[in-house]
Amino acid sequence: DAGITQSPRYKITETGRQVTLMCHQTWSHSYMFWYRQDLGHGLRLIYYSAAADITDKGEVPDGYVVSRSKTENFPLTLESATRSQTSVYFCASRDSAGESNQPQHFGDGTRLSIL
Amino acid sequence: SQQGEEDPQALSIQEGENATMNCSYKTSINNLQWYRQNSGRGLVHLILIRSNEREKHSGRLRVTLDTSKKSSSLLITASRAADTASYFCATDASHSGAGSYQLTFGKGTKLSVIP
Repeated sequence: DAGITQSPRYKITETGRQVTLMCHQTWSHSYMFWYRQDLGHGLRLIYYSAAADITDKGEVPDGYVVSRSKTENFPLTLESATRSQTSVYFCASRDSAGESNQPQHFGDGTRLSIL
Repeated sequence: SQQGEEDPQALSIQEGENATMNCSYKTSINNLQWYRQNSGRGLVHLILIRSNEREKHSGRLRVTLDTSKKSSSLLITASRAADTASYFCATDASHSGAGSYQLTFGKGTKLSVIP
């Protein structure tokens, strides 16, 4: 099925561990985004990617690493998880279409708890 | 930093009534988008209004934009229980260059429609 899928949906890990959240889209959209959603903060952009091998920082990039070796995949890695990174993480994609007037399409999120 | 701010934070209405949510933002924009988020799910795009438009309709949704006041409103007419969700405005800042496809989200309005 076409769409954007995130895995896992739920993850519990311990502080100091490395954890990778996966995101896969089937539209061949150029742009992909990672957000975190926390109570009281709404959605905040962590990293985004304009194309394969092109990534850039968003509002809250510290403690996160991304890669984009293929257009359809955009994994997010927490290299050494901290409790403050407990959150719901959303991946999104959008078509470039030469203009900014395109919606973003979201996955259903990964709920990450760090103990 | 938060660009859009929704008001009210929460809204509870009876089925059949109209629901109005407001969004204020701080800087010049290319467009403003509204998204819906059902509990435990990702955001779904509802409607986009460009900076040179004042009003837009889509089904039971009506969006207005006042760039002089840097504000937008989302009206849902004849609400249904299925409209129960959180609603977010998102702005696409006109000043950004390579990051012009980034969206900045507000904290959302939680709408409850009582059957």
